[in-house]
Amino acid sequence: DGGITQSPKYLFRKEGQNVTLSCEQNLNHDAMYWYRQDPGQGLRLIYYSQIVNDFQKGDIAEGYSVSREKKESFPLTVTSAQKNPTAFYLCASSIRPTIRPYNEQFFGPGTRLTVL
Amino acid sequence: GQNIDQPTEMTATEGAIVQINCTYQTSGFNGLFWYQQHAGEAPTFLSYNVLDGLEEKGRFSSFLSRSKGYSYLLLKELQMKDSASYLCAVTEGSTLGRLYFGRGTQLTVWP
Repeated sequence: DGGITQSPKYLFRKEGQNVTLSCEQNLNHDAMYWYRQDPGQGLRLIYYSQIVNDFQKGDIAEGYSVSREKKESFPLTVTSAQKNPTAFYLCASSIRPTIRPYNEQFFGPGTRLTVL
Repeated sequence: GQNIDQPTEMTATEGAIVQINCTYQTSGFNGLFWYQQHAGEAPTFLSYNVLDGLEEKGRFSSFLSRSKGYSYLLLKELQMKDSASYLCAVTEGSTLGRLYFGRGTQLTVWP
């Protein structure tokens, strides 16, 4: 079955620690995205990548970092510089939008990060 | 920038029809998506509109007016399982691939 996996579902960390969230897809999609969702708010884009070894900042990139060394994987690191990291994090993927403008994004199940 | 507006909350009863509106202001509009998200879960795709008019898909329909910067999602024969957040998102030609999301409309369906 093709899809996107995120692990773990729930993650707890102490303040001041960096933490890396996993996102893997086997849909053969070129583009991948990281969103943050807070209660009562929509999805806000953190980083996105349209191709391997390339990524761009979204609207709220401060305190986060990413890498895209493999097509299937797009891990997100929440650093200690992120002032308010407790949130629900969603990863998504799509075909490269330059191939087709209709770029439906497929989402993973999410990781709920709580920083104590 | 983008300005996407939708109501925060709506309620309806089982079997009824509900219309969730979304207005947007964006340059280089390239399409509008509706997603459904149950609490604590991933958003799932409902519909995509790029041309004016109504797209029907079973109990769900989505309408777009590009000149008015307006869309709505119409849900018919409501069921309890339709209780969820409904997210409106737009794409722009200048930033292909990016989706700009509204805050979502939390729909509660009562028996």
